[in-house]
Amino acid sequence: NAGVMQNPRHLVRRRGQEARLRCSPMKGHSHVYWYRQLPEEGLKFMVYLQKENIIDESGMPKERFSAEFPKEGPSILRIQQVVRGDSAAYFCASSPLAGGNQETQYFGPGTRLLVL
Amino acid sequence: KNEVEQSPQNLTAQEGEFITINCSYSVGISALHWLQQHPGGGIVSLFMLSSGKKKHGRLIATINIQEKHSSLHITASHPRDSAVYICAVYSGNTPLVFGKGTRLSVIA
Repeated sequence: NAGVMQNPRHLVRRRGQEARLRCSPMKGHSHVYWYRQLPEEGLKFMVYLQKENIIDESGMPKERFSAEFPKEGPSILRIQQVVRGDSAAYFCASSPLAGGNQETQYFGPGTRLLVL
Repeated sequence: KNEVEQSPQNLTAQEGEFITINCSYSVGISALHWLQQHPGGGIVSLFMLSSGKKKHGRLIATINIQEKHSSLHITASHPRDSAVYICAVYSGNTPLVFGKGTRLSVIA
C-alpha cells in the first residue's frame, strides 16, 4: 500500500507565477489535509477536504490560495501570483474514511516551494 | 485557540541517554499527536493518545489530561533518533494545532 504521495517534491517559481501542488492520499483514504511549514516555524493547518467538498478552510489565506479534491485524481493546492513569502514546505496528510480529526494522519513527503 | 508549548526547543544528548520532551497546551483536548520530522523533512506520526500511556519500541508517550501536559520519552537514545519532535493537539472538531517542535541531536 503506497503512502501519501506529493509532487513535485521541489518547485521553483518566480514572483507572479502560479504554483500547483498535488497530493494523492493513501488508498482508501478520503480525508485530505494541507499544512504549511514556513522556514523556522511550526506547521500550520491550511485546509481540510473530503472528496468534492471543502470541510474546513479556516487556515487558508483569503486571496490567491485555493484547494480542491475532485472525485477522481489527486488533491490540488493552487497558489496564484506567488510572492516570496509563499516560500515554504507544504505537507499533505490523509486519514481513512471513518476518520476525521481523531484518526491518525499519514503525511506525505512535502513539496518545497521556493519563490524567486 | 489552543496554545501549544514544547520544551526544550533544542536538546543534545549522548548516545544511550534517556530523553524527555515536554508538551503543554492551554485548552482541553480530545487527542494529542506526537510526530517525528526527519532531517530530510519527512513527517511520521509516532503516537496518538487521549489518556494514559503508549509504548512503541524505545519510545514512550504519556499524557495527563488534568494538567494539560504530555511527555515523549526515548530510552537508550541513538544517533538515528536525531530529528525534530512535534506535538499537535485536537480540541473538539478544530484542526490540529502544532507546537514549534523540539530539535534533538544524539551524538555517538
